[in-house]
Amino acid sequence: DARVTQTPRHKVTEMGQEVTMRCQPILGHNTVFWYRQTMMQGLELLAYFRNRAPLDDSGMPKDRFSAEMPDATLATLKIQPSEPRDSAVYFCASGPTTGTYNEQFFGPGTRLTVL
Amino acid sequence: AQSVTQLDSQVPVFEEAPVELRCNYSSSVSVYLFWYVQYPNQGLQLLLKYLSGSTLVKSINGFEAEFNKSQTSFHLRKPSVHISDTAEYFCAVTSMNYGGSQGNLIFGKGTKLSVKP
Repeated sequence: DARVTQTPRHKVTEMGQEVTMRCQPILGHNTVFWYRQTMMQGLELLAYFRNRAPLDDSGMPKDRFSAEMPDATLATLKIQPSEPRDSAVYFCASGPTTGTYNEQFFGPGTRLTVL
Repeated sequence: AQSVTQLDSQVPVFEEAPVELRCNYSSSVSVYLFWYVQYPNQGLQLLLKYLSGSTLVKSINGFEAEFNKSQTSFHLRKPSVHISDTAEYFCAVTSMNYGGSQGNLIFGKGTKLSVKP
C-alpha cells in the first residue's frame, strides 16, 4: 500500500531554532506539494515541485522558509529561524503527472509547535 | 483564478440523519471538483471527484456529490450518517489543464461534520 510518509510526526521547538520536515513521496509520483494547516487560515499551499524543480513557492515566506527536493525520494521543508506563528500542521502531498486530473495523495502531516 | 466557498464551518447531526455539506466554486474556466475527508490527526484522503460525464458521483462509503454547473455548486450528501463519518470535509477545485500537466488544488476552508449518537 503506497503512502506518502512524513517525519517527524510531531515537533516541539523553541523560537529561533531551525526546523526541518521531511517527506517521502509515493514512488513514481513526480509532483510534490507542501501545505500548512491552521485553524485560522485553513489549508495553505506553500510550495510545489515537479520533477524536483520548484514550480511555485509564492505561498511561502521566503525570509525563513525553504523547500527542496534533493532527490526524487525526498522533499524537505525548512524553517530558520522558527517563530511561534509557524505553529501548524504541515502536510506533504504527491501526485502523478499522467492523465488530465490532479489527484494528490496526502501524508499524515507534521504537527509543529514553536514555543 | 478559482475559489471555493464552503458555507458551513460546522455541521452537527444525529446518527442516521441525512446530511448535506455545501460547496460553491468560482472559476472562469472549466474545472475538476473534489471532496477530501480528514479524520482526526490524519492527512486528507480523496473521497470522490468529478471529472466529466455523469454529474452525480459517488464514494464507496455512501457519500455522493452532484456537479451543478449553472449554480457552480458541488454539494456533498449522505442519506444516513454514522458516527464514523465524524471528520472534516474539504471541497477542492482545479482548472482543467488540457496539456495534461498537474496543477494546484484550491481548497475550501473545510466543514467539520460531527455525528452524535
